[in-house]
Amino acid sequence: DVKVTQSSRYLVKRTGEKVFLECVQDMDHENMFWYRQDPGLGLRLIYFSYDVKMKEKGDIPEGYSVSREKKERFSLILESASTNQTSMYLCASSFAGRAPREQFFGPGTRLTVL
Amino acid sequence: ELKVEQNPLFLSMQEGKNYTIYCNYSTTSDRLYWYRQDPGKSLESLFVLLSNGAVKQEGRLMASLDTKARLSTLHITAAVHDLSATYFCAVDMARETSGSRLTFGEGTQLTVNP
Repeated sequence: DVKVTQSSRYLVKRTGEKVFLECVQDMDHENMFWYRQDPGLGLRLIYFSYDVKMKEKGDIPEGYSVSREKKERFSLILESASTNQTSMYLCASSFAGRAPREQFFGPGTRLTVL
Repeated sequence: ELKVEQNPLFLSMQEGKNYTIYCNYSTTSDRLYWYRQDPGKSLESLFVLLSNGAVKQEGRLMASLDTKARLSTLHITAAVHDLSATYFCAVDMARETSGSRLTFGEGTQLTVNP
């Protein structure tokens, strides 16, 4: 079974703190994704990566950055957390290429910024 | 910009009844996914629809895709309580270099009452 794990299920941080969210997958997937999920808005893509050290902006990259130093690990960084970044963050991974590939999701990290 | 709209957003139904969830999208695509999310859990892949006219069935759920109408449906037959969850459709705007990139609908929160 594909396994996507995230470093924390729940996280509480203060405004202005630097926040790291970690995601690890064990299926040798090329692609990895970070989404945030908010009620009524579905899932929105923040950033994705299709190879080590490669990244592309998604639909809402402002206030976030990412790092992918190893194929299995994809980190989301909030340089200076703000209250409007309180949300559920979901990581996903998939194989690359044109062939349709399902994305497999991690359990999510619920981040609260006070 | 691709828009994906689901309706209804909230659905309360009785056990044993049938109903359909609709997913409309604004840009040509021949790849669409349905996911299920239980409260507090991550997203689980239900169906992958890869071409016009595709139909997939699993238990009491059946999904179809009409790429000309830019419409997918998720039909529920003889609902049972275990189907209570939030259902998301996601449209795949796959790219040559990096593979799939999904845009999600807002989600339909389904509650099946005894």
